[in-house]
Amino acid sequence: EAQVTQNPRYLITVTGKKLTVTCSQNMNHEYMSWYRQDPGLGLRQIYYSMNVEVTDKGDVPEGYKVSRKEKRNFPLILESPSPNQTSLYFCASMAGHNSPLHFGNGTRLTVT
Amino acid sequence: QKEVEQDPGPLSVPEGAIVSLNCTYSNSAFQYFMWYRQYSRKGPELLMYTYSSGNKEDGRFTAQVDKSSKYISLFIRDSQPSDSATYLCAMSARGTGALTFGSGTRLQVQP
Repeated sequence: EAQVTQNPRYLITVTGKKLTVTCSQNMNHEYMSWYRQDPGLGLRQIYYSMNVEVTDKGDVPEGYKVSRKEKRNFPLILESPSPNQTSLYFCASMAGHNSPLHFGNGTRLTVT
Repeated sequence: QKEVEQDPGPLSVPEGAIVSLNCTYSNSAFQYFMWYRQYSRKGPELLMYTYSSGNKEDGRFTAQVDKSSKYISLFIRDSQPSDSATYLCAMSARGTGALTFGSGTRLQVQP
């Protein structure tokens, strides 16, 4: 089944403790991205990647890092999480320009 | 002011009703317009995709784009309880990758 898989689905952590949210897609998509979803603000793009070893900032990249060493994986790294990064995070991928964006089922992160 | 405005709802309608969901936007460069449906605890899934102005129909769903008014709509005919979800509009100047999303409208269809 074609899918985008994120792990973990739920994560509670404390301020300053580094964490990684993994994302993997099995559709051989070149484009991958990360979004955060907050009430009243909708989905906002954090980072995106057009291909392996190519990443770029989205609208809200501060406090986040990403890497794209393999085509299928696009982990999101929070080096020093803060409470304002408490949010619902979505990974997404697509085959190419103007193709549908496929989303994972989300990771709910709480930073205390 | 946000680039894309969407009424958060909730919008509650009886089964069988016609539902109208709307977004307004300010960026005249937007050319690609999408509607996503998001069920609770799930990621958004693409419902409708249109380029530039006009209408597009797919089953019970019709998407309309009026670029002159910077206004897009999604109509759902014969609404079903299974349509209960949050509907997100999204748009882009360059295609489906660099999207700007509305904040979503929560729809509840009562049986």
